[in-house]
Amino acid sequence: DAKTTQPNSMESNEEEPVHLPCNHSTISGTDYIHWYRQLPSQGPEYVIHGLTSNVNNRMASLAIAEDRKSSTLILHRATLRDAAVYYCILRGNDMRFGAGTRLTVKP
Amino acid sequence: DGGITQSPKYLFRKEGQNVTLSCEQNLNHDAMYWYRQDPGQGLRLIYYSQIVNDFQKGDIAEGYSVSREKKESFPLTVTSAQKNPTAFYLCASSMAAFGLLGRNTIYFGEGSWLTVV
Repeated sequence: DAKTTQPNSMESNEEEPVHLPCNHSTISGTDYIHWYRQLPSQGPEYVIHGLTSNVNNRMASLAIAEDRKSSTLILHRATLRDAAVYYCILRGNDMRFGAGTRLTVKP
Repeated sequence: DGGITQSPKYLFRKEGQNVTLSCEQNLNHDAMYWYRQDPGQGLRLIYYSQIVNDFQKGDIAEGYSVSREKKESFPLTVTSAQKNPTAFYLCASSMAAFGLLGRNTIYFGEGSWLTVV
């Protein structure tokens, strides 16, 4: 199964942009790249997903490399409420999570 | 409101007991999933089902069982064969279109905490 690699943790200052990287060198042509985030003791929350083209929504932007072997989740202005564990997932017929990146936002 | 309901929120199990965690969704989703999360760790897939009366094992199915008799329900039984069941359990669902499942967002319930006493 295709897997993803993310840094264990990252820090950001409030109101600054955050770029969360994800490597997925064994991605298949039909895998969508999904991002979810999870607050303590809650279920993960959908953030964004894409296949080949960059995507934007009200929460974030997703930049996908041309070879699709990596992607970056961009939070344009981090707030304290964005502090969470962010998961990058390759989604085929199932959905397997890695350890994710714990984002700390400093005021 | 539409969503996924997991119950109970907290459950205590004695050694040697089977317990069942409930998961109900009213989103009309075909696919449903069960994950286990240990403290400080990511989610691990236990079972998933793409359609009624069918389900597949995930990475850690041993000691667990599921059924999918109705579209809206996907209960998880933690059997006595699961030696270390204390964890946070998450149920999820998504629309399913065989061959196009990857494009669909997954929605999660609020989780159930299971503790062995």
